[in-house]
Amino acid sequence: GQQLNQSPQSMFIQEGEDVSMNCTSSSIFNTWLWYKQDPGEGPVLLIALYKAGELTSNGRLTAQFGITRKDSFLNISASIPSDVGIYFCAGQSTSGTYKYIFGTGTRLKVLA
Amino acid sequence: GAGVSQSPSNKVTEKGKDVELRCDPISGHTALYWYRQRLGQGLEFLIYFQGNSAPDKSGLPSDRFSAERTGESVSTLTIQRTQQEDSAVYLCASSLDRGQVGGYTFGSGTRLTVV
Repeated sequence: GQQLNQSPQSMFIQEGEDVSMNCTSSSIFNTWLWYKQDPGEGPVLLIALYKAGELTSNGRLTAQFGITRKDSFLNISASIPSDVGIYFCAGQSTSGTYKYIFGTGTRLKVLA
Repeated sequence: GAGVSQSPSNKVTEKGKDVELRCDPISGHTALYWYRQRLGQGLEFLIYFQGNSAPDKSGLPSDRFSAERTGESVSTLTIQRTQQEDSAVYLCASSLDRGQVGGYTFGSGTRLTVV
C-alpha cells in the first residue's frame, strides 16, 4: 500500500532557529497536507498543497509540493516554544476513496 | 456542532471486554474517517464513511473491529473482546466531501487503555 516516509523522526532545536522536515513517498499523491498535533489533541491543519511545484506560506510556515508529486517539505522559520509538537504530512490517495495517508510524524522540541 | 466531538475522551477497560467509541462530526460533513494512533506512532487509517455507507473498511485490523454511522451524522467504532494491543488513541475526522479541499477536521480523540 501507499506509505509516507517522514524525516527527521525527531529534532531538538534552539528557539529562533529555522526548521526543515520532509516527507517522501514511492507513490504519487494528488494533494499534500501538513498537520500539527499538540499533546492530547487531534491534528490541526497547517498548510494544504494542491499542485505539483506549489509553494505555499502560512505565517512562519512554508511548504512545497514536490514536482514529482512524491514528496513535500515543511519549513518553520524563527522557531518559538509553541512550535513544539508532532508534525504530520499526509498525502491524498489518487484512487479509490481518496483517503489521506499519514506519515509517521516529526517530533519537534524547541529549547528556549 | 462547531467541531468534531469524540467521547469518551479516555477509556480504561479490561482485556476481553467490548468498548464503543463515539464520534459526532461537524454538521453537514458527509465524509467521516476513523484513524488509530498508537503511542509514538503516526495515524493509521481504519475506515471511511460517505454518508451512512462505508466504501473503504480496508484499515480495520480484525473482525473484532466494526463501525457504523447513522443519520449521516454520529458514528460508533466498536471493538469486541479488547486486547492490550488495541490500546491507542482513536481519532475521528470529518470533511464536507471525500475530496474536500482543505483536508479533514479532527476530533481530540479517545484514549483507550486495555489492562
